[in-house]
Amino acid sequence: KQEVTQIPAALSVPEGENLVLNCSFTDSAIYNLQWFRQDPGKGLTSLLLIQSSQREQTSGRLNASLDKSSGRSTLYIAASQPGDSATYLCAVRPSIQGAQKLVFGQGTRLTINP
Amino acid sequence: NAGVTQTPKFQVLKTGQSMTLQCAQDMNHNSMYWYRQDPGMGLRLIYYSASEGTTDKGEVPNGYNVSRLNKREFSLRLESAAPSQTSVYFCASSVETRSSGPQHFGDGTRLSIL
Repeated sequence: KQEVTQIPAALSVPEGENLVLNCSFTDSAIYNLQWFRQDPGKGLTSLLLIQSSQREQTSGRLNASLDKSSGRSTLYIAASQPGDSATYLCAVRPSIQGAQKLVFGQGTRLTINP
Repeated sequence: NAGVTQTPKFQVLKTGQSMTLQCAQDMNHNSMYWYRQDPGMGLRLIYYSASEGTTDKGEVPNGYNVSRLNKREFSLRLESAAPSQTSVYFCASSVETRSSGPQHFGDGTRLSIL
């Protein structure tokens, strides 16, 4: 059974720092990995999607990498801002035929201090 | 762009009452999903619909029914609500043709069962 882990559960850093969020998964048989942010009381906003054949994706100050063989992904946030404060979730889609669900990690709650 | 729209946003029910959560997407996506989010449990798939006319059980389907009314709409019904169904419910959609695309989420329905 695929399991997704995000460590740490919470992270607090001063504004302007570069930071890395970690995601690990137990089964390397995946179609893709997706990073989301969730603001309090809100839904999930898709940030980046990495297909299993890709190594990384970039969007603005965000860069996500994928190492399928080791079961790891990282989300790099450059020059962090208070507006980046949110919970960040990673999710993998297993490549089992017919399986369309995402398996989510518990999330990392990020606080950027002005 | 509305994206994925869920109604209602909040609801309080008494044990044993029934209710239907509505979801509509305007992105012409083929696949739609219902998740629930609980503290310490993360997001878990309840049901999904790979395409119009099909539905399948996810990880936690007991106590729920779904209807894929047309390509745009996917509803979730609680026939006899129980306190254990107190949760935040999210609807999502994805294009899912030949490739695996990102899932897009609504803002959620916060449901309390007394």
